[in-house]
Amino acid sequence: EVQLLESGGGFVQPGGSLRLSCKGSGFTFNNYALAWVRQAPGKGLEWVAGISGGGVARYYADSVKGRFTISRDDSKNTLLLQAEHLRDDDTAVYFCAKGAPGTVYDSWGQGTLVTVSS
Amino acid sequence: AIQLTQSPSSLSASVGDRVTITCRASQGISTGVAWYQQRPGKPPKLLISDVSTLRSGVPSRFSGSGYGTDFTLMISSLQPEDFAIYFCQQFYDWPLSFGGGTKVQ
Repeated sequence: EVQLLESGGGFVQPGGSLRLSCKGSGFTFNNYALAWVRQAPGKGLEWVAGISGGGVARYYADSVKGRFTISRDDSKNTLLLQAEHLRDDDTAVYFCAKGAPGTVYDSWGQGTLVTVSS
Repeated sequence: AIQLTQSPSSLSASVGDRVTITCRASQGISTGVAWYQQRPGKPPKLLISDVSTLRSGVPSRFSGSGYGTDFTLMISSLQPEDFAIYFCQQFYDWPLSFGGGTKVQ
């Protein structure tokens, strides 16, 4: 069974930084593209960043480009998101998602909440 | 970036009803559309990829159609477990994007 478990969320002040992690199991981790998708409270889904299997290609939403960095450590079956210069509108539940393969996502974690507030 | 506009944003329906949700792209995206269902407090669930390919385990009352800029998700006979929010997603070009969602209540 595929499982994705996010961690690292929490409360941070504007301008601060946070590192999110997603531990995968139940599949051959390095073979699959992965992504971060977020959902602000009561709002829709926003694709944040994606990374190819093997980590060669990385893509970002315009709203986070230059502030967030997606990476993966296939030796630890872990997806990472380094989020810097955080703003109030980055407040959201951040989901980790696995490619189906490709860039539709067939497995999701339960999410980790990031709250940016002064 | 490609924008996806879903309509309606919400709808009221009853068990047994046929429900249709539309998703319009700001530019042509061929068949690069998927549909997700999200129940309260849960992560999204992939229902359909490539416009009309039903994922394993998804009931056949769900179907998708469309090409280019206009896409449709249909539920042929609404069941109690189908009351949820539905999102379309385009994977034609980077950055990927989701529609704003349609709440079926």
